[in-house]
Amino acid sequence: KAGVTQTPRYLIKTRGQQVTLSCSPISGHRSVSWYQQTPGQGLQFLFEYFSETQRNKGNFPGRFSGRQFSNSRSEMNVSTLELGDSALYLCASSNQGGSGANVLTFGAGSRLTVL
Amino acid sequence: KQEVTQIPAALSVPEGENLVLNCSFTDSAIYNLQWFRQDPGKGLTSLLLIQSSQREQTSGRLNASLDKSSGRSTLYIAASQPGDSATYLCAVSQRRAGNMLTFGGGTRLMVKP
Repeated sequence: KAGVTQTPRYLIKTRGQQVTLSCSPISGHRSVSWYQQTPGQGLQFLFEYFSETQRNKGNFPGRFSGRQFSNSRSEMNVSTLELGDSALYLCASSNQGGSGANVLTFGAGSRLTVL
Repeated sequence: KQEVTQIPAALSVPEGENLVLNCSFTDSAIYNLQWFRQDPGKGLTSLLLIQSSQREQTSGRLNASLDKSSGRSTLYIAASQPGDSATYLCAVSQRRAGNMLTFGGGTRLMVKP
């Protein structure tokens, strides 16, 4: 079966612009989580969506937002980009929405460079 | 606030060696712990998931143990191969926190032929 697909894979933006990243989960998976990975901070949780509802949110400013559509595809948006937003953004999907974490399948990521 | 630490940050071993990667966490009230592998420039691949009620999980040459009370987990790799070279990450989840994981900084492993 197809894995988690993230688009675009690479993009370059300038400070002040905004960006939208897309994630298509594995068919049948209803949970989509987003993570930011940087050399300095490592992997940090951004937010999780389950059945179109934001279930959890990490400690990021309001410039970071997301949504999930009825087909479980998710998008995240970063407005007013800053140099520090340069990172690999990873999306993960899961077929369960239980109390705690389940096995996550990650996409290859979208590498954002902010100049 | 949960903090996850992985030691060592980097490890280089000759092919064939058995090795142990360490992971520690500060809050023992975890729901489960997962080990992932990440190849350069790529996403994460789930290796093993241990529920908080379990002591260990095995998959092929990999064995992960969990001691929740002491806040520690180890990933044992038997008979290492050059193809095992990657960064290994552990992550913990909390009850009622869905798929929100707290990751360690990772151990970068190089297995030399």
